[in-house]
Amino acid sequence: DIQMTQSPPSLSAAVGDRVTITCRARQDIRNSLAWYQQKPGDAPKLLVYGTSMLESGVPSRFSGRGSGTDYTLTISSLQPEDLATYYCQQYHSTPYTFGQGTKLEI
Amino acid sequence: EVQLVQSGAEVKKPGESLKISCKGSGYSITTDWVTWVRQMPGKGLEWMGRIDPRSSFINYSPSFQGHVTFSSDKSITTAYLLLTNLKASDTAFYYCTTGGSQSRFWGQGTLVTVSS
Repeated sequence: DIQMTQSPPSLSAAVGDRVTITCRARQDIRNSLAWYQQKPGDAPKLLVYGTSMLESGVPSRFSGRGSGTDYTLTISSLQPEDLATYYCQQYHSTPYTFGQGTKLEI
Repeated sequence: EVQLVQSGAEVKKPGESLKISCKGSGYSITTDWVTWVRQMPGKGLEWMGRIDPRSSFINYSPSFQGHVTFSSDKSITTAYLLLTNLKASDTAFYYCTTGGSQSRFWGQGTLVTVSS
């Protein structure tokens, strides 16, 4: 299995802040990386796929980048509705694996 | 609007079995893979595996192999997750999602509680 390590596990930030979450894979996952947002009580929602492709309807303040083993999700200007837990997922090889999550508090 | 509609919450006793259903609304599950994801209370997401309803090809995560079974019925565009010999540690939300790679659409989740 490809282990995905997310950091930080939790993060407290203010409205308007720029926030970056990091995900590191144990091996090269060739940009097969997605990010999900899960708000309390809700199912996860796809934000980014293919490392940097924004899912339809996702605000442009979200962006993803990376290559090889290291990937990031950035929120350029944090909004109150961004309170959530964020997960990365590799889909380079099965079993596809998720990071442990980053809980974002505002 | 695409929706995946899952069956409702269940309370089961240890040793029992349970089948969760997942049906597309505004979407046919036969157009893409269906992936199953587990989330234990207060924990992260776990990829259980996926099924291609078009071919019935299945990938199970080694962590779940032997304990779960995926199936689908193309005629009613419904996918199923069968959990057998339930244990307290199976208490979790179970989600169906579309897509064999990234998961684009998600069901609302089915809460399974296993308690004697």
